[in-house]
Order: sequence, then C-alpha cells, then structure tokens
Amino acid sequence: GAGVSQTPSNKVTEKGKYVELRCDPISGHTALYWYRQSLGQGPEFLIYFQGTGAADDSGLPNDRFFAVRPEGSVSTLKIQRTERGDSAVYLCASSFGDRGYDYGYTFGSGTRLTVV
Amino acid sequence: DQQVKQNSPSLSVQEGRISILNCDYTNSMFDYFLWYKKYPAEGPTFLISISSIKDKNEDGRFTVFLNKSAKHLSLHIVPSQPGDSAVYFCAASALTFGNEKLTFGTGTRLTIIP
Repeated sequence: GAGVSQTPSNKVTEKGKYVELRCDPISGHTALYWYRQSLGQGPEFLIYFQGTGAADDSGLPNDRFFAVRPEGSVSTLKIQRTERGDSAVYLCASSFGDRGYDYGYTFGSGTRLTVV
Repeated sequence: DQQVKQNSPSLSVQEGRISILNCDYTNSMFDYFLWYKKYPAEGPTFLISISSIKDKNEDGRFTVFLNKSAKHLSLHIVPSQPGDSAVYFCAASALTFGNEKLTFGTGTRLTIIP
C-alpha cells in the first residue's frame, strides 16, 4: 500500500484480556518501529525491527508486551493481561533502514487501545 | 526523566507571521534531531531534520536551528499558514551510536489565527 496501515484503528478490551495490534509497513521498508503515545505525551519508543529480528526491544515496559515480525513485513504487537494503564495510541512506523533518517520514518495512524 | 523538552504546550500566531517552536534536550549523545507535525487522528508526519554537524537546515518555509552548546533547537515557520495548525513534536536520536530509536518531546500545539 501507499502508507503504513494499522488495524484495528480502535480497540476496546476488558482488563485482563489479550490483544493483538497489527502493522502493515510500506512495501520494501526493512525497518519497523512501534511507539506508544499516552494522552498529553509524545510518542514513546517500544521496539525496533530490522528485517525479521528485533534489533532493540529496550522500550517494552514489561514481559506482558511482545512483538513479532516473522517474514520481515507485517508486525504484530501482542499485549497479555491488559491493564488500564496500557490505554494509549499505539503507533507503527517504517523506513528503508539506516538512511531512513534523511526523510524521517513514516508513521501509521495508530491503534487507539482502551482498557476498561 | 524527560530527555527532550518542549516547554510551551501551546502557541498562537497570526497568519503570515513567523512561528517559532522551541525544544531543549539533556542527553549529549543525541546527534540527530527531527521535527514532526501531527493532525488529530493521524500519525506524526516528518517535517525536517538536522544533524549535529550542522547548525541550520532549511526546507521551504521551514528552518531548523541547532545550538549544540545550549542543547537547544528551534523550528521556524515563515510565513505561517492556517494549514500549519497542528501539534509539533521535536525528536532526537543518538544515531552515531547506532541507536535507531527516537526520543520525543511532549509537543507544542500551534494555532494559526486567520
């Protein structure tokens, strides 16, 4: 597609449930990033993939959060035992990799997760 | 601790005038800086970037200035247009150290008054 696609755009779940958030990056982009934006804050880094491997997962807040990118394209962010504090907009971005900074990387519109 | 700070949550500017958005950082390892613009219900859109080897970068109506000694950067928009009304985020990375992640500020909401 033309841009980074994230599904669903909105997700409401009950506390304690499991959720999956999907990201389809721009075709050909090797680097993929997940960020989380809470109300009134800037995006906060979660994890970065280069190809299929997680090159930096230092931003994942705890072991309830996990992300995969099995074929080097689509990525899924998985959150177990959701808590109300997980409510935020989850943003995905992709780039060509190490030259992505010349153009910034391209963000999707995000998934708004609400845990009730 | 907030390593990238945007101390003005909001700014209003008359159409046609200059908008100046400010950003301060504390981490001396940051060597690449970017500005993003965000409309409601959309993801951030890249505007302009600057490497620490430069002190100025210009792209059309947008200019970013970097003062490394003060750990301060600013985004100038001139002339300001109604379509510039959005939230602007400053972001930084330690690219030379192989760190791909961006650290964002909390944003400044810019309103252009027609």
